[in-house]
Amino acid sequence: GAGVSQTPSNKVTEKGKYVELRCDPISGHTALYWYRQSLGQGPEFLIYFQGTGAADDSGLPNDRFFAVRPEGSVSTLKIQRTERGDSAVYLCASSPGVPNEQFFGPGTRLTVL
Amino acid sequence: AQRVTQPEKLLSVFKGAPVELKCNYSYSGSPELFWYVQYSRQRLQLLLRHISRESIKGFTADLNKGETSFHLKKPFAQEEDSAMYYCALRGVGAGNMLTFGGGTRLMVKP
Repeated sequence: GAGVSQTPSNKVTEKGKYVELRCDPISGHTALYWYRQSLGQGPEFLIYFQGTGAADDSGLPNDRFFAVRPEGSVSTLKIQRTERGDSAVYLCASSPGVPNEQFFGPGTRLTVL
Repeated sequence: AQRVTQPEKLLSVFKGAPVELKCNYSYSGSPELFWYVQYSRQRLQLLLRHISRESIKGFTADLNKGETSFHLKKPFAQEEDSAMYYCALRGVGAGNMLTFGGGTRLMVKP
């Protein structure tokens, strides 16, 4: 079956613009996670959904970052007023409940000019 | 707070040599430890977890609570082992997020 997919694979934007990053989890997986990986570093947790609700958003760096999962499947990470420091690879993962193995998507590489 | 440290950014060995990728952690409770691997142009994937106590692709890792370490070992490295390796921690009962180390790039030379 298909794994976790993320679109777009690459996104280049200008400072101050708004971006949306999409994640399609594995079908049936109830838990969904977003991580951010800056150059030369390991992934850092942003937010975790169990079903439609954000169970833990303690990793979101500030209020410019927001994520939704309205139907408990696809999730969108939204970044307002992008800054150059937001440039990173944004990873999505899903799992069939908690605690279970997290399956990662290929990531979206965001570049803010 | 939970933290994972991988002291080596790069580890280069010859084919057939033993490999040890170091991982140290700090966590006040009872952690679960994992090793993830990312091969070139592929996505991050789970290699092994400490609770399974199994060997995957010849790799093993033992959780040492006294030394707060979870080093990854393989007795004879293969060229196909070349990849980025990330150690990760999940705090039991503290949410389901993973805390990753900075990663170690393993290069196995022919």
